[in-house]
Amino acid sequence: EVQLVQSGAEVKKPGESLKISCKGSGDSFTKYWIGWVRQMPGKGLEWMGIIHFADSDTRYSPSFQGQVTISADKSISTASLQWSSLRASDTAMYYCAGAVHGQSSWGYWGQGALVTVSS
Amino acid sequence: QSALTQPASVSGSPGQAITISCTGTSSDVGGYNYVSWYQQHPGKAPKLVISDVTNRPSGVSTRFSGSKSGNTASLTISGLQAEDEADYYCNSYTSSNIYVFGTGTKVTVL
Repeated sequence: EVQLVQSGAEVKKPGESLKISCKGSGDSFTKYWIGWVRQMPGKGLEWMGIIHFADSDTRYSPSFQGQVTISADKSISTASLQWSSLRASDTAMYYCAGAVHGQSSWGYWGQGALVTVSS
Repeated sequence: QSALTQPASVSGSPGQAITISCTGTSSDVGGYNYVSWYQQHPGKAPKLVISDVTNRPSGVSTRFSGSKSGNTASLTISGLQAEDEADYYCNSYTSSNIYVFGTGTKVTVL
């Protein structure tokens, strides 16, 4: 089993860049897909994209294509979600989730990272 | 990719059974047996309660069960308990090789 630990809460200004992370431990990260999920205040869950740790195969949901970058660093068992220019509308809780390659359910979740973008 | 459609709210009395529906298309729910369900309590991360339409992960109460017919999947909670009060989301793999969540259902125990 893998445990996912996310980086802490962030407060940023519009236009700033940001990279948040999701570190795995307890199992070989290379057999997992890691996904990023956005939850805006009081709203539902939205998939942003997923990445296969073994080969960095990355897939974005249409709404997030070009808006964020998802990456993985096998050497430190860490997946990342990155913005080049934040907007106030990016204010949300962001969760990373893990699924074993070949399975379709996301049984492992990080604790969430709250990103607040405000001038 | 549009979100799967769930009722906004479902309620029931303790001990009753409730069912939450999740309607998609032949490109997601109807095309794959890759529907999963997640429970989310306020301020907490989601928790997997049903995988692959009908499978219950280890440690999840037997009161949770899943099914699917055509483009609609369902989650049934039997013997409703106060601790079941939470938001529930369905999730499906899609023909675009990505996933999509449902709109979410708030379950209230009366």
